Amino acid sequence: NAGVTQTPKFRVLKTGQSMTLLCAQDMNHEYMYWYRQDPGMGLRLIHYSVGEGTTAKGEVPDGYNVSRLKKQNFLLGLESAAPSQTSVYFCASSRRTSGEQETQYFGPGTRLLVL
Amino acid sequence: AQSVAQPEDQVNVAEGNPLTVKCTYSVSGNPYLFWYVQYPNRGLQFLLKYITGDNLVKGSYGFEAEFNKSQTSFHLKKPSALVSDSALYFCAVRDSNYGGSQGNLIFGKGTKLSVKP
Repeated sequence: NAGVTQTPKFRVLKTGQSMTLLCAQDMNHEYMYWYRQDPGMGLRLIHYSVGEGTTAKGEVPDGYNVSRLKKQNFLLGLESAAPSQTSVYFCASSRRTSGEQETQYFGPGTRLLVL
Repeated sequence: AQSVAQPEDQVNVAEGNPLTVKCTYSVSGNPYLFWYVQYPNRGLQFLLKYITGDNLVKGSYGFEAEFNKSQTSFHLKKPSALVSDSALYFCAVRDSNYGGSQGNLIFGKGTKLSVKP
């Protein structure tokens, strides 16, 4: 049972390049989330998904796209990377967002540097 | 609007002393409250949560937190700090009144705990 895994661990991009971050969970969770973590700003929600085939915008969605084609995978895409997207990206999953079931489990993070 | 505040950027404690990491929140309905810990270069790990019931919640690694509705606080505590407790601690809140995007967790900015030998 690996929990939540993220690929890659670290990446350097040039401005304008594109890339996809992959998140996978083996806990059969319905909900999945993408956050970014920046110094002094805590975690901010980029996009989330409440089930296979559905996605929704979070607090800071601009410049990112997501897809949830399979229940266990949640992909975060950057179509044209900008230096402002330099950050640490965390994926998380939970059974649902109600009561006892909503503890989120986090992946180890992806460090992205955009030059 | 939902919000959560961690008023201290850093807390310094001597090993063996009690520690407190503060968290206050603002929601319109009942709060669901969480504490997470992040060790260097790692993801966030769940420590404890308050959903309903007893105001004193016990969690992992000897940590506990007390829900205080009148003061809208959920401070994290430990009776005797360890050097290995040094990490970044995040408080998070969700308003039970809301679903959809308004029902997502709101994280505080984090408090760095430093425990010295």
